Amino acid sequence: DQQVKQNSPSLSVQEGRISILNCDYTNSMFDYFLWYKKYPAEGPTFLISISSIKDKNEDGRFTVFLNKSAKHLSLHIVPSQPGDSAVYFCAARPGGGAQKLVFGQGTRLTINP
Amino acid sequence: DTGVSQDPRHKITKRGQNVTFRCDPISEHNRLYWYRQTLGQGPEFLTYFQNEAQLEKSRLLSDRFSAERPKGSFSTLEIQRTEQGDSAMYLCASSPGGGVVKRLFFGSGTQLSVL
Repeated sequence: DQQVKQNSPSLSVQEGRISILNCDYTNSMFDYFLWYKKYPAEGPTFLISISSIKDKNEDGRFTVFLNKSAKHLSLHIVPSQPGDSAVYFCAARPGGGAQKLVFGQGTRLTINP
Repeated sequence: DTGVSQDPRHKITKRGQNVTFRCDPISEHNRLYWYRQTLGQGPEFLTYFQNEAQLEKSRLLSDRFSAERPKGSFSTLEIQRTEQGDSAMYLCASSPGGGVVKRLFFGSGTQLSVL
């Protein structure tokens, strides 16, 4: 069962515009959420995170929003740059002291010049 | 910070052969994880160590898979009698100890192809 879902396999955005990547989850016990970015032939690298007690976290061009009632989070990138082209993974920590992360399927973001 | 190191980067093997992968975590990280990623999917949790103790194993980790971290530093993942379905990227990650996990630091992975 896929507890963390990224329903858009791909997204194409023009350079300078806003990129919005979405993620839905089913387990209400998730207590911490992260976004990772992955380039080809490299491992995922951490981008930004948010605790379940918050609804927004911002770091430079990246902002993560959490809507607990909808079990939905999103990553906003503004302005989008060509170097942002990568696969983005949403991840969640199960809570209850669990020491692992559960990942979504990923969304491939392409920034067009 | 030398990062998480995995070896080899690529491995091609024939069905039925055994393979072993190595992971060197960031020094002083006492948690070490193995994940598997197949095409079009996100990383799937396989197992995790706290120092040398293997504390959790996924049901994805069949009895053909074994992972060790004998001295709490590097780790090995062995797959016996490989099958074509084992073809995937095997990712190792580490994190500092203390409290709940907040971030995993991933290596570049080992790409396994079973012919």
